[in-house]
Amino acid sequence: DAKTTQPTSMDCAEGRAANLPCNHSTISGNEYVYWYRQIHSQGPQYIIHGLKNNETNEMASLIITEDRKSSTLILPHATLRDTAVYYCIVVDAGANNLFFGTGTRLTVIP
Amino acid sequence: GAGVSQSPSNKVTEKGKDVELRCDPISGHTALYWYRQSLGQGLEFLIYFQGNSAPDKSGLPSDRFSAERTGGSVSTLTIQRTQQEDSAVYLCASSTQSGLTDTQYFGPGTRLTVL
Repeated sequence: DAKTTQPTSMDCAEGRAANLPCNHSTISGNEYVYWYRQIHSQGPQYIIHGLKNNETNEMASLIITEDRKSSTLILPHATLRDTAVYYCIVVDAGANNLFFGTGTRLTVIP
Repeated sequence: GAGVSQSPSNKVTEKGKDVELRCDPISGHTALYWYRQSLGQGLEFLIYFQGNSAPDKSGLPSDRFSAERTGGSVSTLTIQRTQQEDSAVYLCASSTQSGLTDTQYFGPGTRLTVL
């Protein structure tokens, strides 16, 4: 399975953009990049996903490099409620297994 | 609409006892997943159900773990002869279709503590 590498932790000032990087250098052509987050004591929450093109929804934007070996999740205006662990995972549609890793602990600072 | 629900929210048991954890997926979701999250670690895949097909059990850590899904809806994860290393939060998720590229919706989890 392709695995991901994320920084262990990051801080972001409230109201500023939070840019969370993810390396997935061994990603294959049919693997999607998914982002989930887990707020303390809650189950994971889906954020966004993409294959090749950049994606945007009401929560975030996902920027995938042209070679697909890395991506960045952007929270445009971070709030205190965005403090969570953010997981970047790659998903092969033909597999039955997900590997979440340890994610990035984002702390939004007032 | 209602999300994925799990029960109990917390379970404390003694080493060697059996436990059952329940998951009610979102109505109409055909795929159901079980994960566990040990303290300080990422999510670990356990088992995956899709409709009436035989489940993918490749992630189960030992033969003490088993899971059922009755009528294509409610699922029960059973851990026999619990050990202290089984202590974790057990999460259930469901999705509309079979592929892992479909968005999974997670329940709040069951926190299992084995004394």
